[in-house]
Amino acid sequence: DQQVKQNSPSLSVQEGRISILNCDYTNSMFDYFLWYKKYPAEGPTFLISISSIKDKNEDGRFTVFLNKSAKHLSLHIVPSQPGDSAVYFCAASIYNFNKFYFGSGTKLNVKP
Amino acid sequence: DVKVTQSSRYLVKRTGEKVFLECVQDMDHENMFWYRQDPGLGLRLIYFSYDVKMKEKGDIPEGYSVSREKKERFSLILESASTNQTSMYLCASSILSNTRYQETQYFGPGTRLLVL
Repeated sequence: DQQVKQNSPSLSVQEGRISILNCDYTNSMFDYFLWYKKYPAEGPTFLISISSIKDKNEDGRFTVFLNKSAKHLSLHIVPSQPGDSAVYFCAASIYNFNKFYFGSGTKLNVKP
Repeated sequence: DVKVTQSSRYLVKRTGEKVFLECVQDMDHENMFWYRQDPGLGLRLIYFSYDVKMKEKGDIPEGYSVSREKKERFSLILESASTNQTSMYLCASSILSNTRYQETQYFGPGTRLLVL
C-alpha cells in the first residue's frame, strides 16, 4: 500500500503558465518531503524540499507548499518552460528512518 | 559534482540466470540504495546500506540480495532472475545525516533489465 500518492499520471501545460503538481500522503509521521525530476534515460535529480515545520519553500521558479492537516503537498512551477517537461516524483521520509517513500510520478509536458 | 554510475544501461537475461547489477559512487557517501521503478508504482526500495558490510531490507527485498564490500560500491544480485523482475533499477547514494532530516539522495542513470 503506497504511503505517498500522486494521483495524476500526466499534466499538460502551456509555456509561460503555472504548473501545479500534487502529492498526497497517508503517514502522519512523515516530516520531510522532497521533489525529484526525472528526464528519460537519466536518474532522478533533486529539485526542492520542505520540512514539516514549514508550509512553503521557494527556489526560483519552483515553490513547494505543504498542508499537514490535509496531508498534501504541491509543487508550483511559474512560469513553466519546455525544459521542465519531465516526470516529477514526490518523496517523504520519517525522522531517523534511513529511507524515502516515493510516489508514482507525474509526467509534465510543457507545450511551446 | 556527485557521480553515481551503474555498470550497464541495458541488460537482457534469461529466466533462472544469476544477475549482478553494480553501482559505484565517487563522493564517499555512507548510504547507498537500490530501487526499482515500475509504471504506476514509482520507485520502490529493495535494499539499502549505511556502511560497508551493512545492509537493510527495503520494501520489496524478495528475490534480491546485496553486497557492499567497499564503501563506494553497492551490488544488487538477482539470485535466479524471473520475468517479474523485468524493470528499471536505480541506484542512489547519500551522506549520513547529522540533522533530523534525510540528506538528498543522488541517483545513477538506471539499468533497464529485461528477463526473458
